[in-house]
Amino acid sequence: EDQVTQSPEALRLQEGESSSLNCSYTVSGLRGLFWYRQDPGKGPEFLFTLYSAGEEKEKERLKATLTKKESFLHITAPKPEDSATYLCAVQAGNNAGNMLTFGGGTRLMVKP
Amino acid sequence: DAGVIQSPRHEVTEMGQEVTLRCKPISGHNSLFWYRQTMMRGLELLIYFNNNVPIDDSGMPEDRFSAKMPNASFSTLKIQPSEPRDSAVYFCASSSPAGTQYFGPGTRLLVL
Repeated sequence: EDQVTQSPEALRLQEGESSSLNCSYTVSGLRGLFWYRQDPGKGPEFLFTLYSAGEEKEKERLKATLTKKESFLHITAPKPEDSATYLCAVQAGNNAGNMLTFGGGTRLMVKP
Repeated sequence: DAGVIQSPRHEVTEMGQEVTLRCKPISGHNSLFWYRQTMMRGLELLIYFNNNVPIDDSGMPEDRFSAKMPNASFSTLKIQPSEPRDSAVYFCASSSPAGTQYFGPGTRLLVL
């Protein structure tokens, strides 16, 4: 069974204090690892897809990296507007469709 | 593009009543997913359709839940009869064959 574990569950940062969020996964043949951002009262918003170990993608203050067992979402010099819940999801290779298995999320709070 | 559209955005009903949630996927997307999100269980896949055909409904919690997709631009998730433990946010997502899922804004359901 595919499993995704995110840590920490919650993270408080001061504005400008860089940190990383972790996503550990167990999957039968990874087809893709996805990062989403979710603001309160809204649906998850797509950020990145990573397909193979060693791959990195960046968007503004966010950088996602992937190894064979985990992914990190690095946040550089965060701002209060980066406060949100960040969700990680995996798509398995034996999955005939596009099903995703989600982790529990990391709730990030950035204080000014 | 308008994105995934869901209605209603909020629903309050009494135990035992029928609830119907609606979703319009992004035009051109051939896969549609229904999720439920709660604090306790996070984001759970209920059912997904490919080309209007239900592919995997193993996440549907009970026979009280049913979903249909009569055409490529419309899907419903029905709960009959509803129970207080069904209270959650229900999300619809759609994807193209490339695989990235895009989420709607969700329907917040409260069953009294």
